[in-house]
Amino acid sequence: EDKVVQSPLSLVVHEGDTVTLNCSYEVTNFRSLLWYKQEKKAPTFLFMLTSSGIEKKSGRLSSILDKKELFSILNITATQTGDSAVYLCAAHQLIFGTGTRLQVFP
Amino acid sequence: GAVVSQHPSWVICKSGTSVKIECRSLDFQATTMFWYRQFPKQSLMLMATSNEGSKATYEQGVEKDKFLINHASLTLSTLTVTSAHPEDSSFYICSARAPQGPDTQYFGPGTRLTVL
Repeated sequence: EDKVVQSPLSLVVHEGDTVTLNCSYEVTNFRSLLWYKQEKKAPTFLFMLTSSGIEKKSGRLSSILDKKELFSILNITATQTGDSAVYLCAAHQLIFGTGTRLQVFP
Repeated sequence: GAVVSQHPSWVICKSGTSVKIECRSLDFQATTMFWYRQFPKQSLMLMATSNEGSKATYEQGVEKDKFLINHASLTLSTLTVTSAHPEDSSFYICSARAPQGPDTQYFGPGTRLTVL
């Protein structure tokens, strides 16, 4: 059975901290892995990863995929309160992980 | 950027009634749209894939007669929850496959359904 697992489930940090969110997957015919940020409503797209070892970066957020070990990480440096959200990863087959709830306190 | 809208944002209805939720792509044509359901503090669960001009493809365990999907045009897909019951209360989110690639989607803001 295809599955996507995220860890940790929840994370509470102070502003300025760096966090690493994990996503492991077991899916057939893997093509891509996607990261989303969900605040109060709909998820917003962050990254799409298809190749192993190539870091994608957007401001303080970066992500990388390891197709050998079947996982991806999302890094957020110098966290801000606005980073508080649920971060979802999904295999391209639209299989979503349960998400990691990040709370950043001032 | 591409925008997907949903209507209504929130609906409260009585048990046994039917509710229609609309999903529109506002500035691009979406041949494929997806419908998800999200329970509180849980992840998105894909319900069905909606293809313009053809029947929707439902995920295992989703009742097609209960959740009717119509994708009549390139910018509109509708989800009708028929004979709604309290256990259908949930957050329903649609998304549209983005023009720039098959793996990216733009999400609508979601519709919160409460069935009394």
